[in-house]
Amino acid sequence: DAGITQSPRHKVTETGTPVTLRCHQTENHRYMYWYRQDPGHGLRLIHYSYGVKDTDKGEVSDGYSVSRSKTEDFLLTLESATSSQTSVYFCAISEPGLAGNRDTGELFFGEGSRLTVL
Amino acid sequence: DQQVKQNSPSLSVQEGRISILNCDYTNSMFDYFLWYKKYPAEGPTFLISISSIKDKNEDGRFTVFLNKSAKHLSLHIVPSQPGDSAVYFCAASAQYGNKLVFGAGTILRVKS
Repeated sequence: DAGITQSPRHKVTETGTPVTLRCHQTENHRYMYWYRQDPGHGLRLIHYSYGVKDTDKGEVSDGYSVSRSKTEDFLLTLESATSSQTSVYFCAISEPGLAGNRDTGELFFGEGSRLTVL
Repeated sequence: DQQVKQNSPSLSVQEGRISILNCDYTNSMFDYFLWYKKYPAEGPTFLISISSIKDKNEDGRFTVFLNKSAKHLSLHIVPSQPGDSAVYFCAASAQYGNKLVFGAGTILRVKS
């Protein structure tokens, strides 16, 4: 199994409070991603990183920010949580070139962080 | 606008029979397709992939078929086993992209 750890695994918070989810990897993969999973929507990309301090937005980035100060850590922050951000959040990693000549490579996912915003 | 669509939210199959999961895409730039499997309370895991230069890829009981002209792919599981019961996500990427786009998923239930 890929060495990916997400914390916390479960969190309940109130509307308007800040929340930070952490993803830690031991694989030294260059790419890291944050997805959210919601019924009827599957997995949607929030933000991703292609190197230390190099990040970019995904399709549902509003209300989220990320930071990557070290190869192994990728943080997702909700500055002011809303009920629409109640979801299961998955971190994923990949290393380009592992799957043929793909820029993306295969994604390896963490176990998820369930966030409930009341 | 969903670029990757899995129009069947769920599928129920008898053990030993074939399971066929379908996926359609709209972006003609997609040229690499993957299937992921997800059990409850776990992260998705890679199952099988196919490049657009192929129309079929097999791995044991799992076969993925790609029809580029119809922008359609399917995952066949033969024979289906109760342990195959999970959510299956179809995903796609473009050659010079660095992001996977996922479908909404199909819940497969294999009855024993």
